[in-house]
Amino acid sequence: NAGVTQTPKFQVLKTGQSMTLQCAQDMNHNSMYWYRQDPGMGLRLIYYSASEGTTDKGEVPNGYNVSRLNKREFSLRLESAAPSQTSVYFCASGWEAFFGQGTRLTVV
Amino acid sequence: TQLLEQSPQFLSIQEGENLTVYCNSSSVFSSLQWYRQEPGEGPVLLVTVVTGGEVKKLKRLTFQFGDARKDSSLHITAAQPGDTGLYLCAGDSGNTGKLIFGQGTTLQVKP
Repeated sequence: NAGVTQTPKFQVLKTGQSMTLQCAQDMNHNSMYWYRQDPGMGLRLIYYSASEGTTDKGEVPNGYNVSRLNKREFSLRLESAAPSQTSVYFCASGWEAFFGQGTRLTVV
Repeated sequence: TQLLEQSPQFLSIQEGENLTVYCNSSSVFSSLQWYRQEPGEGPVLLVTVVTGGEVKKLKRLTFQFGDARKDSSLHITAAQPGDTGLYLCAGDSGNTGKLIFGQGTTLQVKP
């Protein structure tokens, strides 16, 4: 099915470990986004990419980096995970956002 | 900092009842979107409103964008158990797709 694919779906990390969340879309959208969702706080924008080759910070970028590898792929990296980064992470693409199914990350 | 305040945060009603969810801000948005999210899934877009005063209908759901483009409402007529879920409003201030989300309204419709 067409859409946004995120991997992995679940992950448990120890404090200080690093990992990369992968996202790919097949809808030929220029823009892609990374959000985190925490209870009672809705979704908050971490980073976005308006087009291939560009990235910019969102509302909560600290502790994260991103790479827009090509038009299809937009990855999110946690260099040194912290318990405060325990959350559900969503990738989205397009102006009328299509969301992936999310990555549930726990940092212990 | 732009904020979107959604109310109520929780709503539990009986099948057949009507309800309204509100989304308010002191900021102007170029467009406002409503999403529905089910447990374990990503949000799914229901509607986008872009013109002040605009009203859009999607079956039993009616969406309205305020005249000043600072607020919006979602009205559900004759709610059904299948309407159960988390409803999120999200505003875009500059047509960039960078969305500011409200906290969400959890709706439970009991049969």
